[in-house]
Amino acid sequence: EDKVVQSPLSLVVHEGDTVTLNCSYEVTNFRSLLWYKQEKKAPTFLFMLTSSGIEKKSGRLSSILDKKELFSILNITATQTGDSAVYLCAVSAGGTSYGKLTFGQGTILTVHP
Amino acid sequence: GAVVSQHPSRVICKSGTSVKIECRSLDFQATTMFWYRQFPKQSLMLMATSNEGSKATYEQGVEKDKFLINHASLTLSTLTVTSAHPEDSSFYICSARYPPGQGNSPLHFGNGTRLTVT
Repeated sequence: EDKVVQSPLSLVVHEGDTVTLNCSYEVTNFRSLLWYKQEKKAPTFLFMLTSSGIEKKSGRLSSILDKKELFSILNITATQTGDSAVYLCAVSAGGTSYGKLTFGQGTILTVHP
Repeated sequence: GAVVSQHPSRVICKSGTSVKIECRSLDFQATTMFWYRQFPKQSLMLMATSNEGSKATYEQGVEKDKFLINHASLTLSTLTVTSAHPEDSSFYICSARYPPGQGNSPLHFGNGTRLTVT
C-alpha cells in the first residue's frame, strides 16, 4: 500500500522565519511527488518533482526530491502571514494507478505577525 | 485560470435526500477524473476513479451504491450522494489531469463542494 508521511504535523513561526517541511514516501511505481497549499478550499498546486537533486523554486518557496532516500522537502523563506495554510505532499504512481494521488496528513503552518 | 470546475460549491440537504455534484474539465478532455473526500482537519482521501465510458473504480471501504459516479462525457463526471446522512457531511473535491501523452502534468483540483446533511 502506498504511503506518504509528512512532518511536522503543525508548525508555528513568526514572520520572517524560514521553515522546512518534510515528506517521506513509500510507493510502488513512483512517478512524481507533488506539493499543494490548501487554505479552507481545494488545494492549489505548488510543485511537481520527478527527478532527484533538481531544486524547483517559485519566489520564496523551493522544493527538492531525493528518490534514493524517498523524501522531499519544501522550504519557505522569509515567511509571511499569507503563508499560513495546510501544506500537502502527495505522490503519483504510474501504470494502472496513473493519475491517482496518495496524500500525506499535511503540515499546518501558522505564521504570526 | 481554473482548469477544473466543480459545482455546487456548497450544499445543505436533509437526511435521506440525494445530492449531485458536477466536475468539469474546462480546456481538455479528461478520460479519468478522481473524487476525493476530506473530513475536517484531515487529509484528502481518494474515494474513486471515474473512467469515461466505463464503471468507476472505488477505493476500499467506499460504498458504490451510496456514492454513484457517472462519467458520461470526456469533460464531465458527476458524484451523487444517495440517501445522505449527517455522517456524509464532508468536503468533496474532484480532480483531473491531462491525459498521458500530453505531458507529465500535475493533478488539478476543482474548488470543492462542502456538503452538510441536516
